[in-house]
Amino acid sequence: DVKVTQSSRYLVKRTGEKVFLECVQDMDHENMFWYRQDPGLGLRLIYFSYDVKMKEKGDIPEGYSVSREKKERFSLILESASTNQTSMYLCASREGTFGYEQYFGPGTRLTVT
Amino acid sequence: AQSVTQLDSQVPVFEEAPVELRCNYSSSVSVYLFWYVQYPNQGLQLLLKYLSGSTLVESINGFEAEFNKSQTSFHLRKPSVHISDTAEYFCAVKGRGGSYIPTFGRGTSLIVHP
Repeated sequence: DVKVTQSSRYLVKRTGEKVFLECVQDMDHENMFWYRQDPGLGLRLIYFSYDVKMKEKGDIPEGYSVSREKKERFSLILESASTNQTSMYLCASREGTFGYEQYFGPGTRLTVT
Repeated sequence: AQSVTQLDSQVPVFEEAPVELRCNYSSSVSVYLFWYVQYPNQGLQLLLKYLSGSTLVESINGFEAEFNKSQTSFHLRKPSVHISDTAEYFCAVKGRGGSYIPTFGRGTSLIVHP
């Protein structure tokens, strides 16, 4: 089975801190994604990566950046955390550009105070 | 461009009753369709998918969905729900060979009462 892991289930940070969220998948998938999930808004795509060192902006990239130095790892960075970035963050991976379903990690619930 | 509309944000139902969660989509290309389920405090997991062939697809836990091309719908049904089916359900669409980014609906919260 594909396994996607995220570094923390719960995280509390202060306004202005730099925050790193890590995601690792173990199935050699080319594509990886970062979403945030908020009540009533569903999943919104922040960034995705279709291969190592490749990245594309999603629908809401402002205030975030990403890094993909190795195929299995995709990091989401909040350069200067703000309270409106309090959310659930979900990472996902997929086999390739023409792959089908995504595999999701358990999520990181981030609270910025 | 593609979009997904889940017509109900919340569906309350009693245990052992039937349920239907509605999903409509729009797309300029042919699509693949998915339903994902999210149990409390967990990530999403695939429930079922339509890729090609039979328009009726089933999951291992009794859910089924039917692809209706003329109505651009992919509604999810279960004839008899259990308490354990309480979860958030997301419909998603992905273009075939077009954009490889899937689009998700806003989710439907299924609440099963005893």
